[in-house]
Amino acid sequence: ETGVTQSPTHLIKTRGQQVTLRCSSQSGHNTVSWYQQALGQGPQFIFQYYREEENGRGNFPPRFSGLQFPNYSSELNVNALELDDSALYLCASSLKQGANEKLFFGSGTQLSVL
Amino acid sequence: GENVEQHPSTLSVQEGDSAVIKCTYSDSASNYFPWYKQELGKGPQLIIDIRSNVGEKKDQRIAVTLNKTAKHFSLHITETQPEDSAVYFCAASSDLYGSARQLTFGSGTQLTVLP
Repeated sequence: ETGVTQSPTHLIKTRGQQVTLRCSSQSGHNTVSWYQQALGQGPQFIFQYYREEENGRGNFPPRFSGLQFPNYSSELNVNALELDDSALYLCASSLKQGANEKLFFGSGTQLSVL
Repeated sequence: GENVEQHPSTLSVQEGDSAVIKCTYSDSASNYFPWYKQELGKGPQLIIDIRSNVGEKKDQRIAVTLNKTAKHFSLHITETQPEDSAVYFCAASSDLYGSARQLTFGSGTQLTVLP
């Protein structure tokens, strides 16, 4: 049990809508990362949040945005949904400690865009 | 940016045999290499990792080797069991401090252990 929890587990939206996904990090962790996993592929890095600020971003457009709260939980927001946004969205938490940082993933939110 | 290639995409072995999954990476600055196991309906689970100052690491039936000169690393599972059946992902990070800040994943290997 990793301790990272995500909600909701499944979500169906239509093209053009907006969505918010939520993540609670594992106890003792201070960093949250978000990844997108398309069917049959490896996860792709979206961004990481540390001390409530974005701490690195992958190749995703600005309509993907996030927040980290003082209790280290996090939200991923996606605006103007496109069909290609259909994927499993994974949250991972870690303790930022330089060379010993390890990512622990939640079970993800399956987003379907129709 | 970093590119990670993983082979094979599918692997079937008899229970008790060994399984080997190989990955290559493109960025010579990469310094952290974790392996994840993903079961159906679950998120990736960290099973072992290695950093660039180490050539090999072992944890019970699982071992990882790293060849920085050739830019490849491998996962070895010995005495496979049916519960080892899952999708395995390798990943690499070139973060300055060797952290897991931005992982680039391979495309995955579906391992099936036949009883």
